[in-house]
Amino acid sequence: ETGVTQTPRHLVMGMTNKKSLKCEQHLGHNAMYWYKQSAKKPLELMFVYSLEERVENNSVPSRFSPECPNSSHLFLHLHTLQPEDSALYLCASSQGEGGSADTQYFGPGTRLTVL
Amino acid sequence: AQSVTQPDIHITVSEGASLELRCNYSYGATPYLFWYVQSPGQGLQLLLKYFSGDTLVQGIKGFEAEFKRSQSSFNLRKPSVHWSDAAEYFCAVGVWNNNDMRFGAGTRLTVKP
Repeated sequence: ETGVTQTPRHLVMGMTNKKSLKCEQHLGHNAMYWYKQSAKKPLELMFVYSLEERVENNSVPSRFSPECPNSSHLFLHLHTLQPEDSALYLCASSQGEGGSADTQYFGPGTRLTVL
Repeated sequence: AQSVTQPDIHITVSEGASLELRCNYSYGATPYLFWYVQSPGQGLQLLLKYFSGDTLVQGIKGFEAEFKRSQSSFNLRKPSVHWSDAAEYFCAVGVWNNNDMRFGAGTRLTVKP
């Protein structure tokens, strides 16, 4: 596979469930990102990892827990979510040399619905 | 921190007509500017990027954008729109060594036959 892949593409979960989103990049990049995209709102940066170290955490609730075991994989662990967490969750990667000056390459996203 | 404004939420153009999508940014130094496109159910695809040099940037799919420092703008243009260009378009601004890329709220493009 090429580029950035995300699984699952769709996820429906209850408020008491625990689930994980997976992202994998095949571009040899060093930085990976999680974004939340809600209707009628700009993309919100959630987490940034550079060389497997978390370098940014934009005041995200603790019910979202990221994990980056290596530079190619990124996970977002979800537990006790709220209905307002329903959104498209996008993963991206970049070379990781210049922060947000780098071009970011996005995956197709996971459409999350919290019931 | 940097910020981006896309004044038009929704634009409708006829197929074959020209297109201009507006983007205004706010940042004290030279920004890194991006245009991305998102088709329904998909992630964002990079159309073009500006960081220095020629202020007119060519991108994929026949798109171009012009950086105007005096107007703090980075408008996206296409001379002749195709039905497949219907999508959501996002302008973004990045800063060297700062991880927080800021995106505009997006402009949804509808193409009439």
